[in-house]
Amino acid sequence: TQLLEQSPQFLSIQEGENLTVYCNSSSVFSSLQWYRQEPGEGPVLLVTVVTGGEVKKLKRLTFQFGDARKDSSLHITAAQPGDTGLYLCAGAAGNQFYFGTGTSLTVIP
Amino acid sequence: GAGVSQTPSNKVTEKGKYVELRCDPISGHTALYWYRQSLGQGPEFLIYFQGTGAADDSGLPNDRFFAVRPEGSVSTLKIQRTERGDSAVYLCASSLTSGTDSPLHFGNGTRLTVT
Repeated sequence: TQLLEQSPQFLSIQEGENLTVYCNSSSVFSSLQWYRQEPGEGPVLLVTVVTGGEVKKLKRLTFQFGDARKDSSLHITAAQPGDTGLYLCAGAAGNQFYFGTGTSLTVIP
Repeated sequence: GAGVSQTPSNKVTEKGKYVELRCDPISGHTALYWYRQSLGQGPEFLIYFQGTGAADDSGLPNDRFFAVRPEGSVSTLKIQRTERGDSAVYLCASSLTSGTDSPLHFGNGTRLTVT
């Protein structure tokens, strides 16, 4: 059972546009991670957020953890074709990481 | 290389056969996780090892699935009497320490196809 719902499931945008991906849950997590996965490869960690309300920036990517530590968002500014991939959020609870349903992003040159 | 290695990268088997999937974690990583991923979906937790013992196997779908890590390093996921619904990418990840403070490092997965 997936505890984390991501939206949208699919996103196709033009190069240079902005976008936001959402990760929502009814559960509280001790931390939340965002990964990007390319075809034929495993997910690669982008960022970990720990504190409710925390905002982290990674170049053109901005990650926010909800105040109640139940949800998170990923905002990409001026998307590039190299941003194409499957974006996954993962919430930490106990000794497990629960992965979201995934958002498949395609950036068209 | 220094990353997580999974073999084979692809496995095609007939319904009812037995398969073994291998994971070589990063040297020194004590925690090891197995996940299953369907196309375009997020990974689904199967089992977590801390050292040699299975700390949490609550994600294994049924008793046809079993995993071992006898020396606390390499792990093998074993599937008996495979079914077509077992077709998926099986991902292995390792982390330096137990718990969730240490990030996961994933292998490239084994794509299992049951015909």
